[in-house]
Amino acid sequence: SQQGEEDPQALSIQEGENATMNCSYKTSINNLQWYRQNSGRGLVHLILIRSNEREKHSGRLRVTLDTSKKSSSLLITASRAADTASYFCATALIQGAQKLVFGQGTRLTINP
Amino acid sequence: EAGVAQSPRYKIIEKRQSVAFWCNPISGHATLYWYQQILGQGPKLLIQFQNNGVVDDSQLPKDRFSAERLKGVDSTLKIQPAKLEDSAVYLCASSLVLQQLETQYFGPGTRLLVL
Repeated sequence: SQQGEEDPQALSIQEGENATMNCSYKTSINNLQWYRQNSGRGLVHLILIRSNEREKHSGRLRVTLDTSKKSSSLLITASRAADTASYFCATALIQGAQKLVFGQGTRLTINP
Repeated sequence: EAGVAQSPRYKIIEKRQSVAFWCNPISGHATLYWYQQILGQGPKLLIQFQNNGVVDDSQLPKDRFSAERLKGVDSTLKIQPAKLEDSAVYLCASSLVLQQLETQYFGPGTRLLVL
């Protein structure tokens, strides 16, 4: 089963609105990352939050991490049409194989 | 700085045929990954190299998939023979060794369709 699961699977909002995506995971992590994937393209690293951090900002992005609930959220403020993409969370585990495990993603559509 | 390069971008083959994908990572990145991304899913790690050594290939279907990274730079991923369920996007990524659990840089991917 997936380590990370995103919610919702799909989200459609109007340009200018805020978009919130959630990620839940099962085992303890070293860090959690969010990536964006535009249609037909590779993934682009957006932001990383470490297990001892609770919130991080980068431009219009805000990420929160709640290790007690094993969950994270990605907030995109003042959305733009160019934000239309799939967003994936990826967890770096503390134990076991040293690799990133990706969730299934949230498909975000920004309507003009 | 040039990004991760992959070729071909698209490939259509019939089942039981063989296919090979090529990846050139960012210069200086010792760690290279191959991921398989099936439509509607997140990427799944197939194999990870550090220089020319295999770090993790636990999810590589070794009866049909093989990968190599000669000289610790370029890498090729081969499927022989291909099955219908191999239809997916194959992503190559690279990272600095000290950042392998942090920032990974992805190529554009090779979209494979097996008929």
